[in-house]
Amino acid sequence: AQTVTQSQPEMSVQEAETVTLSCTYDTSESDYYLFWYKQPPSRQMILVIRQEAYKQQNATENRFSVNFQKAAKSFSLKISDSQLGDAAMYFCAYRSAFMDSNYQLIWGAGTKLIIKP
Amino acid sequence: KAGVTQTPRYLIKTRGQQVTLSCSPISGHRSVSWYQQTPGQGLQFLFEYFSETQRNKGNFPGRFSGRQFSNSRSEMNVSTLELGDSALYLCASKRVYSSTDTQYFGPGTRLTVL
Repeated sequence: AQTVTQSQPEMSVQEAETVTLSCTYDTSESDYYLFWYKQPPSRQMILVIRQEAYKQQNATENRFSVNFQKAAKSFSLKISDSQLGDAAMYFCAYRSAFMDSNYQLIWGAGTKLIIKP
Repeated sequence: KAGVTQTPRYLIKTRGQQVTLSCSPISGHRSVSWYQQTPGQGLQFLFEYFSETQRNKGNFPGRFSGRQFSNSRSEMNVSTLELGDSALYLCASKRVYSSTDTQYFGPGTRLTVL
């Protein structure tokens, strides 16, 4: 079975600086998708970024980028120029591309990101 | 385009009661999934509906049930509430039942069982 591990329960960063959140996963599959979701205090889960395993190029969305290392099964999220609005719980999630997985998201435990003004 | 909406946002119930939560997906989305989020267990998958059919179910007791209507709106029901059912219940929608689509989440319903 696939698992997702976020080893940092909490991280803090100074406003305007860069922070990297770690995520590792375990799978024997070759085709899958990886996601970072953000959950601010409002509780709404918001998609930050998505990566297809078959793409070697790391995904980027404005100030958010990932470092996807398929062989190492690592999927870290880098937030540049941190802003107060980035403060939230960040969840890493995995989804198999195979139908027998029922396409379900497998979640990490989350990392709480604190932004210091 | 309006996002996923969930009603009510907050609920307080007592043990033994039952509760129904509602989720309206993004227009055009036909797949709806439900998750339970608690501090101890994290995010756990409850079930997914697509075209009014339950496609898969997580490891929850039969007290948890759901359904989907022809307009893709979904409801989940929890009967005989227990204290441990206190949680944030999240609904997510996507266009189709596939691996490629991204799920978009609603704001959640906070259920407190006393």
